[in-house]
Amino acid sequence: SQTIHQWPATLVQPVGSPLSLECTVEGTSNPNLYWYRQAAGRGLQLLFYSVGIGQISSEVPQNLSASRPQDRQFILSSKKLLLSDSGFYLCAWDSGTQETQYFGPGTRLLVL
Amino acid sequence: QKEVEQNSGPLSVPEGAIASLNCTYSDRGSQSFFWYRQYSGKSPELIMFIYSNGDKEDGRFTAQLNKASQYVSLLIRDSQPSDSATYLCAVNLRSWGKLQFGAGTQVVVTP
Repeated sequence: SQTIHQWPATLVQPVGSPLSLECTVEGTSNPNLYWYRQAAGRGLQLLFYSVGIGQISSEVPQNLSASRPQDRQFILSSKKLLLSDSGFYLCAWDSGTQETQYFGPGTRLLVL
Repeated sequence: QKEVEQNSGPLSVPEGAIASLNCTYSDRGSQSFFWYRQYSGKSPELIMFIYSNGDKEDGRFTAQLNKASQYVSLLIRDSQPSDSATYLCAVNLRSWGKLQFGAGTQVVVTP
């Protein structure tokens, strides 16, 4: 069966510090991968998606970036965090042949 | 106009009653519709998906889709306290693979 992992689970970072969040998927090949952000009490905002290694599409211009160095690994990064980057970051995958997306456990980020 | 709209709630439902959640969408070309449940502090988990007009039942859950009126609903029968959560509606817009989410409806089931 397929599983999706995210780490860290929680993170407290000062403004201006760098960020690296990692997501890995097991049990499937060539998945589509997605990064979402959920601000407190808000809906899900799609940040990036990837249909293959090295292929990244950005949905929202901001100080975040994403990379996909391996088929089942998706990384979200920032060089300098802003207060507004606080939120719940969710990684999701789908099989590429059907549309249902499955979410990882998420990373809760607090920027102070 | 938001692409996917849901009442934010909270929707208070007595235990054992039916909870009815609604979702409207703006893009007539939307093809696929999903309901996710999100407990506080947790990630969303898929409850159901529906592609065709009409009803789809899975246990205590029934999804209803009306493409002509551009709405999709979720019914939760025999509501339990464990059903207390935020329910997210998601729609696959014309671009394959990208879901647009509503802000969610909070459901509170009271014993």
